[in-house]
Amino acid sequence: EAGVTQSPTHLIKTRGQQATLRCSPISGHTSVYWYQQALGLGLQFLLWYDEGEERNRGNFPPRFSGRQFPNYSSELNVNALELEDSALYLCASSWGLAGGPRNEQFFGPGTRLTVL
Amino acid sequence: DQQVKQNSPSLSVQEGRISILNCDYTNSMFDYFLWYKKYPAEGPTFLISISSIKDKNEDGRFTVFLNKSAKHLSLHIVPSQPGDSAVYFCAVRSNSNSGYALNFGKGTSLLVTP
Repeated sequence: EAGVTQSPTHLIKTRGQQATLRCSPISGHTSVYWYQQALGLGLQFLLWYDEGEERNRGNFPPRFSGRQFPNYSSELNVNALELEDSALYLCASSWGLAGGPRNEQFFGPGTRLTVL
Repeated sequence: DQQVKQNSPSLSVQEGRISILNCDYTNSMFDYFLWYKKYPAEGPTFLISISSIKDKNEDGRFTVFLNKSAKHLSLHIVPSQPGDSAVYFCAVRSNSNSGYALNFGKGTSLLVTP
C-alpha cells in the first residue's frame, strides 16, 4: 500500500514569491494535516482538512492557506514568502473524524522549502 | 509558548542498555499521548501511544509511562539497538472539538552505539 506522498521534495523560492506544496494521502484516508518544522523547532501544526473542508488551523498568518480536493489530496500555498518560512513542511493523513480520537497520523517525507 | 517540552536534545546509549526519553507538557486537557520516530529524509513514523486513562503501555521493546500529576511522559526502549538511532518526538492531542492536530516537542536525537 502506498504511503503519503509529497511533492516537490525540494523547493527554492525568493522573498515575496508564492510556494505551492502538494500532498497525496493514503488511499481511504479523508483527513490531511500540514505541519511546519523550522530549524530548531518541533513540528508546528498548520492546517487540518477533512472531507474537503478546512477544520482547524494553527497559529499561522493568513498567507498560509490550502485546500483539499475531491480525491482528498491537498495543496498548501504560502504567499508573500518570507525568509523565516524556510522549513520542512510535512503532510500527514488519517482516517478522519470517523476514525475517532485514536486516529493515527501517517506522515509523508516532507517538502524542504528554502526562501532566499 | 511551548506546550510540549523535550528538554534533552540528544541522548547516547550503549547497545543493549535502556534508553529513557522524557517529555513534559503543560496543559491538563491533553488526553492522548504519542511517540514518533524520525529518520533523516523521512517523515515521522508512529511508535507507541497512551491514553490519559492509563499510566503504562507496552509494545515489545517499547514502553510508554504517563504521570498525569507531574504532566510527564517517558519512553523506555529495552534493550536499545543501533537501529533505534533516530530523532524521537513526543506528541500530545487535546480532547476538544478542534480536531486531532498534534502538538509536538522539539525532539530528542538518540544515538545507540555498538
